[in-house]
Amino acid sequence: GENVEQHPSTLSVQEGDSAVIKCTYSDSASNYFPWYKQELGKRPQLIIDIRSNVGEKKDQRIAVTLNKTAKHFSLHITETQPEDSAVYFCAASKPHPRSSNASKIIFGSGTRLSIQP
Amino acid sequence: DTEVTQTPKHLVMGMTNKKSLKCEQHMGHRAMYWYKQKAKKPPELMFVYSYEKLSINESVPSRFSPECPNSSLLNLHLHALQPEDSALYLCASSQELGTASEQYFGPGTRLTVT
Repeated sequence: GENVEQHPSTLSVQEGDSAVIKCTYSDSASNYFPWYKQELGKRPQLIIDIRSNVGEKKDQRIAVTLNKTAKHFSLHITETQPEDSAVYFCAASKPHPRSSNASKIIFGSGTRLSIQP
Repeated sequence: DTEVTQTPKHLVMGMTNKKSLKCEQHMGHRAMYWYKQKAKKPPELMFVYSYEKLSINESVPSRFSPECPNSSLLNLHLHALQPEDSALYLCASSQELGTASEQYFGPGTRLTVT
C-alpha cells in the first residue's frame, strides 16, 4: 500500500530563517499532494497543494516542490514567523483501491516546527 | 459559508452510552469524510460519503455507525465504545470525490471514553 515518509519529525529554526520539510511516497498512482498545518488543539488547515502535472508552486512565503521521478515532495517556508509554529503534515492522494471514483489521502507522520524568537 | 462545523467540541461518554457526533457544511461539497486522530499522530480515514451514499468504510468496527441524512450533514453514531477509541474525531468535506479534490477539515470533537 501507499506509504508517506516525512522528515524531520521536529524542526527548530530562528525567526526569519527558512524551514524545509521533506516527504517521500511509494505509490506512483498518487497524483495530488496537499500540505496541512495543525496548531495545538485545532483543525488541520490546508495551506498549499500541488498536483502531479506541476513541479513547483508558490504562495507568498510558502512553496512546494514535487519530483515525480524520485517520488519526493517538499515544503519550503521562508522568512519564518512565530505564528508558523505548528505541526505540518504532508499527504499523498491516490485512487482508492476499493472504489472506482473515490480517493484516499495518506498522511505523513508530521513535523513539529518551532520558530525561535 | 466556507467552513465545516462540528458538534459537540468535547464529549465524555461511558462504555455503555450511545452518543452522536455531528458535522455540517454549506459549501455545496458532495463528498464528506470521517477521520480519527490520536495524539501526536496524523488523521486516519474512517468513512467516505459521496452524494449521501457510503463509498468507503476503512474496516471500522461496527460500534461506529455513520449516517448522511442530506448533502450538508454527516453524523457518526457511537455505541459501546472502548477507552482506546478516545481521540479527536475530524469531519472533512471536498467538492467531489476525485483524487485531486481539496479536503477541508472541521474543528473536531475530542472524545473521551471512560
